[in-house]
Parts: sequence; structure tokens; C-alpha cells
Amino acid sequence: DVKVTQSSRYLVKRTGEKVFLECVQDMDHENMFWYRQDPGLGLRLIYFSYDVKMKEKGDIPEGYSVSREKKERFSLILESASTNQTSMYLCASTGGPLGYTFGSGTRLTVV
Amino acid sequence: KNEVEQSPQNLTAQEGEFITINCSYSVGISALHWLQQHPGGGIVSLFMLSSGKKKHGRLIATINIQEKHSSLHITASHPRDSAVYICAVRAAGNKLTFGGGTRVLVKP
Repeated sequence: DVKVTQSSRYLVKRTGEKVFLECVQDMDHENMFWYRQDPGLGLRLIYFSYDVKMKEKGDIPEGYSVSREKKERFSLILESASTNQTSMYLCASTGGPLGYTFGSGTRLTVV
Repeated sequence: KNEVEQSPQNLTAQEGEFITINCSYSVGISALHWLQQHPGGGIVSLFMLSSGKKKHGRLIATINIQEKHSSLHITASHPRDSAVYICAVRAAGNKLTFGGGTRVLVKP
């Protein structure tokens, strides 16, 4: 089975900190995505990458950046965390018979 | 108007009942996905459809491309089916556009 692994299930960070969320997939997928999920707003695309060192902005990229130095790893970076970035963050990659595989999510709280 | 509309938003059923969730979309798509999310949990892909019908256990998904409509059916529902079910469509670039989700509660 395809596995998408997010490094932390829960994170608490302080306002202004630089935050790294890591995502690793084990199936050599080219496309990887970062979403955030908020009550009443659903899932929104932050950034995606279709190859190593390639990145594209999604619908809500402000306040975030990404890094894809290796095919299996896609990192989401909060340059200076703010309380409005408190959310559930979900990583996904595309491939396989079900098309999309999601990680188990990182619930980030910024205090 | 959202590009992907789901109905109903909430659904309560008794164990054993047949459940249907509907999804309508307004854009051209390459595939439609049905996803499941249990409370506090991650998202699991249930189906990817580009035409016709797929079945997995008690779950059945159908799509009508001409009418831009898909349905997810749960037969003989069980309390463990209680979750949020999300319809998502894939257009250009493999990006997904999500519906608002349907919260399903199956009572024993």
C-alpha cells in the first residue's frame, strides 16, 4: 500500500516561530500536495509540486513556502507562524488505483 | 456557487438502513473522488471514478458524466460508517476541488 507519512500528529508552536511540516511518500509519486482543513471552510490547497524542485501556488499560499529537494519528501514551511495558521494540515500524493493518498494529518496550534 | 455541491450536509440513519449521498459539479473533470474522514482522523480515499459504477464491500459509487453528478451509497449501514464523506473532483493539474462534506451518523 502507498504510504504518506506526516512527521507529527500534533504540534504546538509560538507566534513568530518558523515551523516545518514534513511529508514523505514511499511510492515514487511525482505530484504532492499540502492542504489545510478548517471547520466551515473545508479543504484548501496551499501549495503543490509536480516534480523535484518544482512548486506551484495553490489557493491560499500566503504565509507559507514549500521545499521539494527529493522526490519522496515535500516540506511545508511557515516562515513566521501566526495564530490564524492554527489548523489541520494534510499532505497528499497522487498515484495508485485510488488516485489520491493522504497522510494522517498534523494538527498545528499556534499560541 | 461552489463548483462542487454535496447533499445532504448532515444525515442520521438507523443501523441497517440504505444511505445515499449526492455530489454535483459544474466543471469538466478527469476524475471524481469519494473520501472518508472519521472524527479526528485523516482522510481515506474510497473511490476514484471517471465513468460508470464501482463497488467495494458495502459501498457503491456511481457517476453520470453527462449530468455532472455522482452518488455514494452505503448498504446495510453500520455505526462504524459514521464519518464525514467528501466528494472531490480532479480537473487540470491533478488538483482537487472539494465539496463541503456530508456528516453521516449511524445509530445502533
